[in-house]
This record gives sequence, structure tokens and C-alpha cells, in this order.
Amino acid sequence: AQSVTQPDIHITVSEGASLELRCNYSYGATPYLFWYVQSPGQGLQLLLKYFSGDTLVQGIKGFEAEFKRSQSSFNLRKPSVHWSDAAEYFCAVGPPWGYQKVTFGIGTKLQVIP
Amino acid sequence: EAGVAQSPRYKIIEKRQSVAFWCNPISGHATLYWYQQILGQGPKLLIQFQNNGVVDDSQLPKDRFSAERLKGVDSTLKIQPAKLEDSAVYLCASSSPSGGQEDTQYFGPGTRLTVL
Repeated sequence: AQSVTQPDIHITVSEGASLELRCNYSYGATPYLFWYVQSPGQGLQLLLKYFSGDTLVQGIKGFEAEFKRSQSSFNLRKPSVHWSDAAEYFCAVGPPWGYQKVTFGIGTKLQVIP
Repeated sequence: EAGVAQSPRYKIIEKRQSVAFWCNPISGHATLYWYQQILGQGPKLLIQFQNNGVVDDSQLPKDRFSAERLKGVDSTLKIQPAKLEDSAVYLCASSSPSGGQEDTQYFGPGTRLTVL
């Protein structure tokens, strides 16, 4: 069965500082990997996704993520955080075939302080 | 392009009552998903439709939850009777065209259900 671990429930960073959100997955093969963001009262928005190819994936809003097969990780990064990035971030994993049955992690809530 | 619409946005009911949620996906999207997001957890897929057929409902508590997607467009999710543990945000998402992994899911704002 596929599963996702987001070890940090809460992270606080200063505006302008760099950010890294951790995500580890469990799956028998190389899965499809996603990062979503959820602002308060909003639905989820896809930031980026990895299917194959280049292991460094660029997404929207200046985010990127790196797939590391040896570590079963797909960490999300941003070089300089803006106050508007405060939200909850979800890592998700899905099988590399068939329809999109995605399993989400429990999320990491990001707080940005001035 | 209009996004995924959901209504109502909020609902408060007593346990053992019934409730229904409505979702209107993005025009032309063949695949529709209902997720349950309990506070402090990630979304959990309840049911997935491809057009008006069910692709996956393995995590839908079928003794109390039901969903339909008539004419392959709008969908309703019903809970009857509701339990306290059904308190959650119910998210609808849609994607196109095949429902495969390459398709991006677009989420609605969700319906927050509180069961008292």
C-alpha cells in the first residue's frame, strides 16, 4: 500500500528565509508525486508534480521539489518565503499507472513571521 | 474558466440527521472525485467517477454514504444518518480528460460539515 509521511506538522520561518518541507513516501515502485497547497477556507491547489525524468521539478509560485529515489523523499523548497506563502502544504503519492488514486500526507502548516 | 463549485459551504446538523452536498465540476471534465478531510489530516478519497460511472468507491462507508453523478456532470454526496465522526470538510475535485495520473485535479472550496 502506498503511504506518505510528512514529519513536520508545523513550521515557522521568517519572511525572506529559505524553506524546505519534508516528504517521505512508501511505495514498491517509483510513484507519481505531488505537492498541493491549501490556504484557509480554500480548496487544494497543485504546486507541482513528478512523473519521470528530471528529478528537480519546478512548480508555481517559485516552488521546486527534488525527487530522491534512494531516500524515498520528495522535499519541497523555496529560496525566499513571502508572507502570502503561509498555508498548509500536502505531499501526495499515486501509482504510476491507471487512474489517479492519490494518497495524501497529513500536511505541514507553514507560518511566516515578519 | 470557472472552477469547481460546491454548495453549501457550511452545514451544521444533529447526529442521525441526513445531509447532501452538491458539486459542479469544471466544464468538460470527465473525472470527478469526492474527498473527506478530517481536521488535522490530509484528504481521503471517498469516491471517483469517470463520466457517470464509479471507478473507485473502496473507501466510501456505503452503509451511510452514497453518491451519484447523473448525466456525467454534477454530483451529489449524501450522508444518512450522520455520525459525530463525519464532521469534516468534504472536497470535490475534477480532472480531464482520462482521469489518468497525468491529469491535474482541480479542487473546489469544500463544504465544512459539523455534526452535533
